[in-house]
Amino acid sequence: QSVLTQPPSASGTPGQRVTISCSGSSSNIGSNYVYWYQQLPGTAPKLLIYRNNQRPSGVPDRFSGSKSGTSASLAISGLRSEDEADYYCAAWDDSLHVVFGGGTKLTVL
Amino acid sequence: QVQLVESGGGVVQPGRSLRLSCAASGFTFSSYGMHWVRQAPGKGLEWVAVISYDGSNKYYADSVKGRFTISRDNSKNTLYLQMNSLRAEDTAVYYCAKVGAIFALLDAFDIWGQGTMVTVSS
Repeated sequence: QSVLTQPPSASGTPGQRVTISCSGSSSNIGSNYVYWYQQLPGTAPKLLIYRNNQRPSGVPDRFSGSKSGTSASLAISGLRSEDEADYYCAAWDDSLHVVFGGGTKLTVL
Repeated sequence: QVQLVESGGGVVQPGRSLRLSCAASGFTFSSYGMHWVRQAPGKGLEWVAVISYDGSNKYYADSVKGRFTISRDNSKNTLYLQMNSLRAEDTAVYYCAKVGAIFALLDAFDIWGQGTMVTVSS
């Protein structure tokens, strides 16, 4: 049972906009930054969004993050086949632990 | 380029020990906090431990506290994870990851290694 709650799956067709939610509590998302990681099949995770809504260089602006209260979301617009991957949200907890969501498997139909 | 390379994984019996290493290159290792994150087969990511840039602060997940020890040798640009009293549930790919902001602890994991597999089985 993960501390942060994500839907196990999401899907969309090419060109569509998809959002993935991440729900936490006041001790993690409510008081700390949210991060999003993308894990393509068979590879290590990659940082996608940091500090709620910032994109590292090289990450397309099709990816965006937002946070409100104890929840956060990742939006992917202009969906492409190469976006098919597992997506994880993460946050620091006030107990100085890092907590992850259970992951969302994105399928591009 | 910035790179992290893990090593030391393998098959080990329950109750035994194993030490993982993570060799860093392409950045000033001694200026960045470092983490270990693991992923059991077919499962999600689980944070394991973090160490500050100078080794003075260390924090652990409850599931490994008292059994695992994170350490670093800044003269060798290497991060370690000493794993004792291993259990079947410790079976996972272990990734090392670099903190994004210099001298920080509470920030994103901006660079990840390729991972090393640890299998705990009799």
